[in-house]
Amino acid sequence: EDQVTQSPEALRLQEGESSSLNCSYTVSGLRGLFWYRQDPGKGPEFLFTLYSAGEEKEKERLKATLTKKESFLHITAPKPEDSATYLCAVQAQFLMTTDSWGKLQFGAGTQVVVTP
Amino acid sequence: DGGITQSPKYLFRKEGQNVTLSCEQNLNHDAMYWYRQDPGQGLRLIYYSQIVNDFQKGDIAEGYSVSREKKESFPLTVTSAQKNPTAFYLCASSMRAGRGYTFGSGTRLTVV
Repeated sequence: EDQVTQSPEALRLQEGESSSLNCSYTVSGLRGLFWYRQDPGKGPEFLFTLYSAGEEKEKERLKATLTKKESFLHITAPKPEDSATYLCAVQAQFLMTTDSWGKLQFGAGTQVVVTP
Repeated sequence: DGGITQSPKYLFRKEGQNVTLSCEQNLNHDAMYWYRQDPGQGLRLIYYSQIVNDFQKGDIAEGYSVSREKKESFPLTVTSAQKNPTAFYLCASSMRAGRGYTFGSGTRLTVV
C-alpha cells in the first residue's frame, strides 16, 4: 500500500531562519511527487512536481528535491508570508486496473509558522 | 479565468439530513475528485471520476454518493448514513494524464 509520511508535523521559524521539510514515501513505482501549499480555510495550491530521483525545482524561497525514498522542501530565508501547511503527495505508476489511475496519496502535512 | 468553484463555502447539516456539495470546473479536465480533510490527517479520497457517467469509490466512500452527468460538474451528497460528516471537503480536477490536481476552495460542513 502506498504511504506518505511528512515530518515534522509543525515547524516554527524566525524570519530568515532556513529549514527543510521531509516527505518519505513508499509506492509501487513513482510516477510523480507533488508539493502543495495550503492556507487556513483554503484549498491546496500547487507548487512543484518531481518525477525522478535527482530532480530539483525552485520557486522564490522554496526548493524541492527528490531521492528514491524521500523528498525535501527547503525554505531559504523564510518570510512571514511563507506561513502555511505544506502537503506532499505521490502518484503511482499507472497499472492495468482503472483503480490506480491518476490518484494522489497525500501526507498529513507540515504546518509552518514564520515569525517576524 | 479557469478554475474550480465549490459551493457553499460553509454548510450546516442537521442530524438525519442529506446535503449536497457543489463542484464545477471550467478547465476542461477529464478527471474530478472529492477529498475529505480532518485536522492532523492527510486528505482522504472519497470518490473520483475519470469520465462522464462513470465514477469509482475511494478509500472512505461509505455514507457518500456522487454523480457525473456533465464533464464540468461533480456534486457530492453527504447522506444521513455518514455518522461523522463534520469536515473540510475539497474538490479537485486533473487532465486525463493525471499530472497533478487543481483544487477548489473547499466547503466546511458542520453537523448541528
